[in-house]
Amino acid sequence: AQSVSQHNHHVILSEAASLELGCNYSYGGTVNLFWYVQYPGQHLQLLLKYFSGDPLVKGIKGFEAEFIKSKFSFNLRKPSVQWSDTAEYFCAVNPGYSSASKIIFGSGTRLSIRP
Amino acid sequence: DVKVTQSSRYLVKRTGEKVFLECVQDMDHENMFWYRQDPGLGLRLIYFSYDVKMKEKGDIPEGYSVSREKKERFSLILESASTNQTSMYLCASSPGQGASGNTIYFGEGSWLTVV
Repeated sequence: AQSVSQHNHHVILSEAASLELGCNYSYGGTVNLFWYVQYPGQHLQLLLKYFSGDPLVKGIKGFEAEFIKSKFSFNLRKPSVQWSDTAEYFCAVNPGYSSASKIIFGSGTRLSIRP
Repeated sequence: DVKVTQSSRYLVKRTGEKVFLECVQDMDHENMFWYRQDPGLGLRLIYFSYDVKMKEKGDIPEGYSVSREKKERFSLILESASTNQTSMYLCASSPGQGASGNTIYFGEGSWLTVV
């Protein structure tokens, strides 16, 4: 069965540190890829998405992610985090351009930023 | 902006009670979803609807049913609530057309506690 792995369950950083959150998936064909963010007390919202084209995708609030097909990875990055980036981050994969009901979510990474 | 509204943010119900969770979206989306979010497990799909009166079971449908009588409204029903259904429930919708139709938009969530 397809799966999505987010290896870091909880990441703690200081403000201005650089961030990289890992996401790996197991499907070998074409994929749509997503990162969602859930700020404390708020709903899940889309951070960025990859459908095709440039594998380096830029999202909101200075986040970016790079699709590396050979590594089955879609890691999320930010050069300098802020306290307001404290949130839970979910990677999601839609294998084979199938129905949205087939989207698989990772277990999430909780990011805590020390002021 | 897409708005997905869940009628109740916090509910406390007794074991054996029938529970209704209501959700409305205002963007004329074809697809609607109910997910369950538990710590360390990410998001798990309970049910999916791709049209009025149409539904598909997700990964964890046992103990749940759904109703979609109007395009904008999708209800989750717990016929007889049990303590293992204590969780955060997320309603979501997506356009359903083309690649961008796979982008999912979430509501704020309903925290259900079954005692």
